[in-house]
Amino acid sequence: ETGVTQTPRHLVMGMTNKKSLKCEQHLGHNAMYWYKQSAKKPLELMFVYNFKEQTENNSVPSRFSPECPNSSHLFLHLHTLQPEDSALYLCASSPWDSQETQYFGPGTRLLVL
Amino acid sequence: EDQVTQSPEALRLQEGESSSLNCSYTVSGLRGLFWYRQDPGKGPEFLFTLYSAGEEKEKERLKATLTKKESFLHITAPKPEDSATYLCAVQGGSNYKLTFGKGTLLTVNP
Repeated sequence: ETGVTQTPRHLVMGMTNKKSLKCEQHLGHNAMYWYKQSAKKPLELMFVYNFKEQTENNSVPSRFSPECPNSSHLFLHLHTLQPEDSALYLCASSPWDSQETQYFGPGTRLLVL
Repeated sequence: EDQVTQSPEALRLQEGESSSLNCSYTVSGLRGLFWYRQDPGKGPEFLFTLYSAGEEKEKERLKATLTKKESFLHITAPKPEDSATYLCAVQGGSNYKLTFGKGTLLTVNP
């Protein structure tokens, strides 16, 4: 595997379910990010991890819970989501340095019923 | 607060018809301006990073330019496979946060 991978690619869940999204990067980077992409809206940064430490929580509701066990893996735990949380969730990684490019995974398309 | 505005929202071209996409930005201390290409249902694919006004970068039929207020993505003799949404993002102030525009949906008809 190369680049940034995400699983699952598609997810349908009810509002009472608990699920997790997984991201893995094979680029040797030490920063990882979660973004939300909704229709007709710009990408929204949700969380940032630098060397496993969370450095940003962009006012994200507590029903989204990130976990970064090491610099190669990132999870997003989901529980009691709302239909408006349906979106494409993108993971990205980069070296932790200014002006460095972020590389994105293919995303998880989430539908909350 | 950093802001990015992309225009037009959608652009339809005939194959071979050159054009440009615009990205206007306001940022405190530009560290970098990024262009990405995104195909439907996929993650953004990195194209270019520009760091300072006057800088230009090229890749195949694409050329990105940067001024102090805007960036252009020029597409020369596009092909149908260039159809995608093109995203612009800026990085300013902090060393990691990207602010994205809404994108331009480009359709190239054969």
